[in-house]
Amino acid sequence: AQTIHQWPVAEIKAVGSPLSLGCTIKGKSSPNLYWYWQATGGTLQQLFYSITVGQVESVVQLNLSASRPKDDQFILSTEKLLLSHSGFYLCAWRRRDWGEGTQYFGPGTRLLVL
Amino acid sequence: GDSVTQTEGQVALSEEDFLTIHCNYSASGYPTLFWYVQYPGEGPQLLFRASRDKEKGSSRGFEATYDKGTTSFHLRKASVQESDSAVYYCALSDNYGNEKITFGAGTKLTIKP
Repeated sequence: AQTIHQWPVAEIKAVGSPLSLGCTIKGKSSPNLYWYWQATGGTLQQLFYSITVGQVESVVQLNLSASRPKDDQFILSTEKLLLSHSGFYLCAWRRRDWGEGTQYFGPGTRLLVL
Repeated sequence: GDSVTQTEGQVALSEEDFLTIHCNYSASGYPTLFWYVQYPGEGPQLLFRASRDKEKGSSRGFEATYDKGTTSFHLRKASVQESDSAVYYCALSDNYGNEKITFGAGTKLTIKP
């Protein structure tokens, strides 16, 4: 069975400080991976996706970047946090099959920027 | 571009009431449609999906039928329980390989015991 882990579970950070959030998928080789952001009480906004190691596509920038250093790992980061970065960050994966669009989400990381 | 409209932002019901959450979409071709449920502090979970006109998806007593004619995928449940309280998202994937899922704004369902 596939499992998806996100770390950390929650963070409180200062404006202007750096950030690194991680996501690991176990039990599934070569998944497509995604980062989403969700404001409190808001809908899900897709930020990035990656089909293969080393390749990341941006959907919405929000002054964030993403990398995929390993097949099972997806990293979201920024060098300088803004207040607007507060929210819930979700990693998701899906099978790399044509037409199989279902994405499965991780437990999320809650970020508060002060 | 693709879009998903959920009419109800919040729904409050009593246990055993009938539930309808309306979802209409705009997309080219034949998108796959989804309903996700999100409990507080957790990531969204897939309830079910449908890929073809008139296909019915169902899970845990919830159901929705893909209607290409009215571009709708309304969520229904005959008798809600307090444990159904959550936020429900309608979403679509256009299946053209661009890796994007478009989510609706979400509907917060509160069930009073």
